[in-house]
Amino acid sequence: DVKVTQSSRYLVKRTGEKVFLECVQDMDHENMFWYRQDPGLGLRLIYFSYDVKMKEKGDIPEGYSVSREKKERFSLILESASTNQTSMYLCASMALAAHSYNEQFFGPGTRLTVL
Amino acid sequence: DQQVKQNSPSLSVQEGRISILNCDYTNSMFDYFLWYKKYPAEGPTFLISISSIKDKNEDGRFTVFLNKSAKHLSLHIVPSQPGDSAVYFCAASSAPGNQFYFGTGTSLTVIP
Repeated sequence: DVKVTQSSRYLVKRTGEKVFLECVQDMDHENMFWYRQDPGLGLRLIYFSYDVKMKEKGDIPEGYSVSREKKERFSLILESASTNQTSMYLCASMALAAHSYNEQFFGPGTRLTVL
Repeated sequence: DQQVKQNSPSLSVQEGRISILNCDYTNSMFDYFLWYKKYPAEGPTFLISISSIKDKNEDGRFTVFLNKSAKHLSLHIVPSQPGDSAVYFCAASSAPGNQFYFGTGTSLTVIP
């Protein structure tokens, strides 16, 4: 059974704090993604990574950074949390898709509240 | 700019009837489409996909229709069951390895 796990289901932080969200997948997937989900806006891509130490900006990277030191782990970092970063954060992984499409597998999400 | 749109935020259907969820897109380069289902407090799970070389794909009670000229796809669920109550997202991509663009979601409620 494929599995994507996220370090916390719920997190409450204060404005200005540095926040780390961790994601681990056990499927040996090359690609990993961080999205945020907000009402009326759907899922928006923050960053993705197609290999260890590689990263690409998504549609809304401002205020975020990522780290991928190992294939199975992809971390999202909020350098200085702000209230507009209160959201549901979803991590996903996907097998390498050089010539065919593959589905993304999602973790359960982290509900982050920034006070 | 939202490249994939789901204009109905919510839909209610009686158990046993058909549920039709719609999705529109603006990018004519999209050629692969997926539907995901999301329960509260869980991550989205893959439901069904369709490639642009087809206009229909069926999997049990779920059928996806694609109208490329209208840049429109729809998900039909027949018969609808209470366990189908969830938020449904459509997503689209233009090439393998490219990012998927997600719609805003439609919350389906199936009334017993």
